[in-house]
Amino acid sequence: QGMLVESGGGVVQAGRSLRLSCAASGFIFSSYGMHWVRQAPGKGLEWVAVVWDDERRKYYIDSVKGRFTISRDKSKNTLDLQMHSLRVDDTAVYYCARADGSYGMDLWGQGTTVTVSS
Amino acid sequence: DIQMTQSPSTVSASVGDRITITCRANQSISSWLAWYQKKPGKAPKLLIYKTSMLETGVPSRFSGSESGTEFTLTISSLQPDDFATYYCQQYDSYPWTFGQGTKVEIK
Repeated sequence: QGMLVESGGGVVQAGRSLRLSCAASGFIFSSYGMHWVRQAPGKGLEWVAVVWDDERRKYYIDSVKGRFTISRDKSKNTLDLQMHSLRVDDTAVYYCARADGSYGMDLWGQGTTVTVSS
Repeated sequence: DIQMTQSPSTVSASVGDRITITCRANQSISSWLAWYQKKPGKAPKLLIYKTSMLETGVPSRFSGSESGTEFTLTISSLQPDDFATYYCQQYDSYPWTFGQGTKVEIK
């Protein structure tokens, strides 16, 4: 079925950078689009970004465009989210998830917590 | 962006009750709708994809349907493990968007 394990979260000051990683195992990583989804404290789920299986097509929510970059490394089966110019409202638990075109996000990691302090 | 309006925000129900959660899209999403269950401290769990397809391993008391741009999640007989927050999500176009969530709590 597969497994996703996120890492890289932590406490960071506003304006600084952080890089999240997601290690994939147990499935053919190169066959899936990979996503980041976040949940701020007390709030709902918010989709953040996707990188398609071709590694070229990438999409972001407007609030992170120009600040976050999603990437993947098929040789290492890893998904990354490079976050720059972090803001207090980026504080959230960040989940990586896989999806193919038809099934939605069927496999999720356990999440990594990012706290941005002012 | 496609907006997903989910209601109600909270449902108070008892074990054995039938509950319905509704999600409305502000434009056509061609049945590309999923439902997730979320419990505190846990990852979201996919329940239903493509409006009405049950994810493998999900109990048959969960079902999904649509009428135009209105989508429904039904739990036919609520079980203790079902008390959680539920989210709809469209994957017709980017950015993918979620509904605001519905918390199912014990009455």
